[in-house]
Amino acid sequence: DAGVIQSPRHEVTEMGQEVTLRCKPISGHDYLFWYRQTMMRGLELLIYFNNNVPIDDSGMPEDRFSAKMPNASFSTLKIQPSEPRDSAVYFCASSLEGPKNIQYFGAGTRLSVL
Amino acid sequence: AQTVTQSQPEMSVQEAETVTLSCTYDTSESDYYLFWYKQPPSRQMILVIRQEAYKQQNATENRFSVNFQKAAKSFSLKISDSQLGDAAMYFCAYRSARRAGSYQLTFGKGTKLSVIP
Repeated sequence: DAGVIQSPRHEVTEMGQEVTLRCKPISGHDYLFWYRQTMMRGLELLIYFNNNVPIDDSGMPEDRFSAKMPNASFSTLKIQPSEPRDSAVYFCASSLEGPKNIQYFGAGTRLSVL
Repeated sequence: AQTVTQSQPEMSVQEAETVTLSCTYDTSESDYYLFWYKQPPSRQMILVIRQEAYKQQNATENRFSVNFQKAAKSFSLKISDSQLGDAAMYFCAYRSARRAGSYQLTFGKGTKLSVIP
């Protein structure tokens, strides 16, 4: 398997623009997670899905952020409108059912909002 | 809520030597999992090692081993025979085993490891 695939690898945009980050989980995995990494806050969970259904979105910072998982092989994280403080690395991870199972991470998307 | 603390922002080790990275955590649960992830400059988060809290035996993966002290809530990572490719950020992470569906990872702030040739 190719692992978790995220696109784009880098995104540079201007404040106020819409940004869409994409993730393809490992085939067969039941869970998909979106994390954000910043110097100040470290790695923090934004939202996660189980069988395409959002389970916990309490980490989503505000209404400007939204995430969808229309099918088992694709998820998006959208920021509209984007702000400079959204600049971070966004990771997608997937895993099988069960807490002992490993979360496999994508390579992340580095977002810069100017 | 669980918290994970890595008290060493940066560490360095001479190539071929041994280094230990510290991690402590706070939880009221008795059943959980602990992980060490490595993040090299490429940004990819890579699992290094995993420990189940109900197992007393410390996990080992080749040159990587842990010292799991459940009563002290301590989970340190030992890297033996350090190699240049071990240079990376290392993150300690906690995951609850109790609550169904609550499989998120709680991460520490990380330790940056440098390997000196």
